[in-house]
Amino acid sequence: QKEVEQDPGPLSVPEGAIVSLNCTYSNSAFQYFMWYRQYSRKGPELLMYTYSSGNKEDGRFTAQVDKSSKYISLFIRDSQPSDSATYLCAMSAGVRGGSEKLVFGKGTKLTVNP
Amino acid sequence: DAGITQSPRHKVTETGTPVTLRCHQTENHRYMYWYRQDPGHGLRLIHYSYGVKDTDKGEVSDGYSVSRSKTEDFLLTLESATSSQTSVYFCATWWGVGDTQYFGPGTRLTVL
Repeated sequence: QKEVEQDPGPLSVPEGAIVSLNCTYSNSAFQYFMWYRQYSRKGPELLMYTYSSGNKEDGRFTAQVDKSSKYISLFIRDSQPSDSATYLCAMSAGVRGGSEKLVFGKGTKLTVNP
Repeated sequence: DAGITQSPRHKVTETGTPVTLRCHQTENHRYMYWYRQDPGHGLRLIHYSYGVKDTDKGEVSDGYSVSRSKTEDFLLTLESATSSQTSVYFCATWWGVGDTQYFGPGTRLTVL
């Protein structure tokens, strides 16, 4: 079993739809959870960063972490064509568990159609 | 975001030739990383550095070496390039716990 599993999609939605992206993981030591957005032929850029369980909201984006289920989600409300990109989940352990290394999902390619 | 530049941005080379990719950062981050990104595999860690002259291997380090003689520069060398090393290479930096990794724009390498 891979440490981090992410459905690669592709996912195609109409403009204005609510998008749900998910990752599951197996390492209970993970404490830091991130979502990166990567446009075609660009480097990944940080979208959301959360520590431990709970929700975090930033504009149209909401990140959720459920450590008991080892499951993280990213929700995009009122999706726009500019949201079309590949979304990568990433996570790392705490200070004593190798926090210097990120483990990435393979990414989900999202297309938002006008 | 950390100011990260990578050079060259594109390179085409032939099998068997040595190749060096450079990553330069302006934020004085202690940690620097080299990843490769391939379809179906996502981002995979090649090597990383936790200080000047301090480096360690990642999950796909075979065929690659690195060096870090200054805080701001991290070099990735393919001693003898092979076609399997055709990929997009990303450099990243990290300040420390509580922060996240910041990525450079990438280098697209083709080995013929």
